[in-house]
Amino acid sequence: DTAVSQTPKYLVTQMGNDKSIKCEQNLGHDTMYWYKQDSKKFLKIMFSYNNKELIINETVPNRFSPKSPDKAHLNLHINSLELGDSAVYFCASSPRQKRTDTQYFGPGTRLTVL
Amino acid sequence: RKEVEQDPGPFNVPEGATVAFNCTYSNSASQSFFWYRQDCRKEPKLLMSVYSSGNEDGRFTAQLNRASQYISLLIRDSKLSDSATYLCVVIYINDYKLSFGAGTTVTVRA
Repeated sequence: DTAVSQTPKYLVTQMGNDKSIKCEQNLGHDTMYWYKQDSKKFLKIMFSYNNKELIINETVPNRFSPKSPDKAHLNLHINSLELGDSAVYFCASSPRQKRTDTQYFGPGTRLTVL
Repeated sequence: RKEVEQDPGPFNVPEGATVAFNCTYSNSASQSFFWYRQDCRKEPKLLMSVYSSGNEDGRFTAQLNRASQYISLLIRDSKLSDSATYLCVVIYINDYKLSFGAGTTVTVRA
């Protein structure tokens, strides 16, 4: 059984389009995250939700809007896609909003903007 | 200066060798430290936490040096399956964000 799943796995789209990435975790965790890993391999946190409440919102363009309909799901919607948005986006979850908790990552969504 | 810096490598080592590398962090208020492993085109996975007194997990040893603000990872008796990128992760006091290094790539050859 997949613990943290993301769809789609690959996404190729044109500049200017709007797209969504979905994430679901079946671990019963309270906290979920979105990370972006660029071509230089840096993983940077974008957002974090704890029990559907936004707790971390890094300096991310407001074209990116997360939505958490329930604590098992955290989706990411991106408006007006730009070339620089091309990256791998990882969803993750952790049991609680606690520094020492292990984060479990989804398989990633490889976004290519043409 | 980046918050978390790692030597990108690659470290190319033969099977059975020992390989070690460090990760430096800039914020002295850092409190929690981890090593994650990321295989090519896969997601990161927790390898081990790093405790103040240092800790071992099988062939892997992690150390923390607060005075010099670095953590280290040592892999003994390298296996082919140890080939991966090792990501250093630091969490600051009163913060819930993980700060990742860019990773150190290790390639173990037969």
